[in-house]
Amino acid sequence: EPEVTQTPSHQVTQMGQEVILRCVPISNHLYFYWYRQILGQKVEFLVSFYNNEISEKSEIFDDQFSVERPDGSNFTLKIRSTKLEDSAMYFCASSEGGAGGETQYFGPGTRLLVL
Amino acid sequence: AQKVTQAQTEISVVEKEDVTLDCVYETRDTTYYLFWYKQPPSGELVFLIRRNSFDEQNEISGRYSWNFQKSTSSFNFTITASQVVDSAVYFCALSEPSHNTDKLIFGTGTRLQVFP
Repeated sequence: EPEVTQTPSHQVTQMGQEVILRCVPISNHLYFYWYRQILGQKVEFLVSFYNNEISEKSEIFDDQFSVERPDGSNFTLKIRSTKLEDSAMYFCASSEGGAGGETQYFGPGTRLLVL
Repeated sequence: AQKVTQAQTEISVVEKEDVTLDCVYETRDTTYYLFWYKQPPSGELVFLIRRNSFDEQNEISGRYSWNFQKSTSSFNFTITASQVVDSAVYFCALSEPSHNTDKLIFGTGTRLQVFP
């Protein structure tokens, strides 16, 4: 069964460093998403991406965040200068369609710890 | 404003008990979608069910069943004859279709512990 994959599973970084989280969405999916979950809290939407551009972003997704689809399979989230409060689990998701309540399938997550 | 409320923070049951997880949502849209996801201790989010606002028929899948009631804006999830493997955090989520996106709005989750 096709699934969303994410690398790395864990990442530890120093405050101020740049990190890139990688995701490989399900191959025939066209819509991609990043969410984050601060430990013990709910899952929060960060950004959605379609047709090589951001379609929506939350207020959390400020100038230090960026997303990219560098090739036909990867979807990345970059945090330019990490802060302590960026420590969270980051989930990538993908869906076949969008704007129609399509089911989003999530990857296993990357646990980011900023020291 | 859109909102999903899962008032039960944590529920503990003994194996074979039935348990219902509550979900109440708020939306101004007439077309919307509701989801349940399971987050086991390993951390991933596993899709369980999707329901659109026009389909109020209850659904059963094995030991899982869902009760959707628009009149009370609720989408409750029942596990029959619970098992230890059901121990997880369960999230209810809402999607309101808009131009080119389907962001999910999650509730705060209910942690279910099933004891042998």
